[in-house]
Amino acid sequence: ETGVTQTPRHLVMGMTNKKSLKCEQHLGHNAMYWYKQSAKKPLELMFVYNFKEQTENNSVPSRFSPECPNSSHLFLHLHTLQPEDSALYLCASSLGTTVYNSPLHFGNGTRLTVT
Amino acid sequence: AQSVTQPDIHITVSEGASLELRCNYSYGATPYLFWYVQSPGQGLQLLLKYFSGDTLVQGIKGFEAEFKRSQSSFNLRKPSVHWSDAAEYFCAVGDQSSGSARQLTFGSGTQLTVLP
Repeated sequence: ETGVTQTPRHLVMGMTNKKSLKCEQHLGHNAMYWYKQSAKKPLELMFVYNFKEQTENNSVPSRFSPECPNSSHLFLHLHTLQPEDSALYLCASSLGTTVYNSPLHFGNGTRLTVT
Repeated sequence: AQSVTQPDIHITVSEGASLELRCNYSYGATPYLFWYVQSPGQGLQLLLKYFSGDTLVQGIKGFEAEFKRSQSSFNLRKPSVHWSDAAEYFCAVGDQSSGSARQLTFGSGTQLTVLP
């Protein structure tokens, strides 16, 4: 049990579909993150939310749309994706956004395949 | 800009043998340094971190890492590897000037295989 739960674990979608990834943290943290993990590439930070406010959008294409209704929940809405978007999408949370006193806690990820 | 290099894509060791995973970073000042582990089908788990002080840091699961400023390295070590240590290991560097998590840069990872 990581304290950060992601659903679904696996998702296969066509390029014209619309789907959403969900993340929930039970750690009382205030910051939440979406990362993309592609094979043999470093983790890429996509979005950062702190106290429900988006503080970072790392030049992510608009076909990825995040939503953070409260500090415990984070969504990633997907539409008209491309095959190169296939990857493991990791959600993380931390108490604050300064890494020296609030390390990241990761969920187990959603394995997304775009066909 | 900061960067992290993990020179070994894949390492194989026998159970009970010692382990060293290499990490080199590029950063202008003293960085924050981290090692994370990712078991199959899991997210990343923090093994240990270095911010300042003693350059040899102890982590969970019997791992340690040593910060060597002169070599810009932060290598991860374990004296005796267990089969359950088979996983992918990621080194990361953070920006100490801001301390912001959004400035965390990850390496590409080293896949560890443990032979019985």
